Amino acid sequence: GQSLEQPSEVTAVEGAIVQINCTYQTSGFYGLSWYQQHDGGAPTFLSYNALDGLEETGRFSSFLSRSDSYGYLLLQELQMKDSASYFCAVTNAGNMLTFGGGTRLMVKP
Amino acid sequence: DVKVTQSSRYLVKRTGEKVFLECVQDMDHENMFWYRQDPGLGLRLIYFSYDVKMKEKGDIPEGYSVSREKKERFSLILESASTNQTSMYLCASRSGDGEQFFGPGTRLTVL
Repeated sequence: GQSLEQPSEVTAVEGAIVQINCTYQTSGFYGLSWYQQHDGGAPTFLSYNALDGLEETGRFSSFLSRSDSYGYLLLQELQMKDSASYFCAVTNAGNMLTFGGGTRLMVKP
Repeated sequence: DVKVTQSSRYLVKRTGEKVFLECVQDMDHENMFWYRQDPGLGLRLIYFSYDVKMKEKGDIPEGYSVSREKKERFSLILESASTNQTSMYLCASRSGDGEQFFGPGTRLTVL
């Protein structure tokens, strides 16, 4: 089977940096994705890591360590609009995405 | 602008009714997916399809069936709706192993 673990809630202040961790157990691992979902909205793609290391896209970065079955999403210079749920997802050999339970990020002034 | 659309944003049905949820994508993607989303459980895959007339069970297929007669359309069917199928249903499509695009979701309530 497959499982992903991520914290259920994280709170941070505007302008700060926050890291959302994701550990996974899966067979036939291809890559780790991150999605953002605002309340009432659809999930939207943020990043995809197939190889070890850090991928940076503006204020957001994503990291993967395949040997540790671990990744994280790093959000810098937090803004109020970053308040949302963040999901990690694993792509396996069957080309399916399996999602974690999501981390609800609350950004406070 | 890429788009995945779902037939309804909100739906209320009675126990035992047959329910059809429709999903259409305009990106010529091979792969299409149906998820349900419940608080604390994230997104769970019900069924997916990697080509016309092809379907594969996901993690929670019980009580559901699907139909993919055309590449752009993927339908989720609840043969006999039950109250535990009250949920948010999300359709998605993807080309290869690239970005997955989600529809706006259908919030289904079964009374």
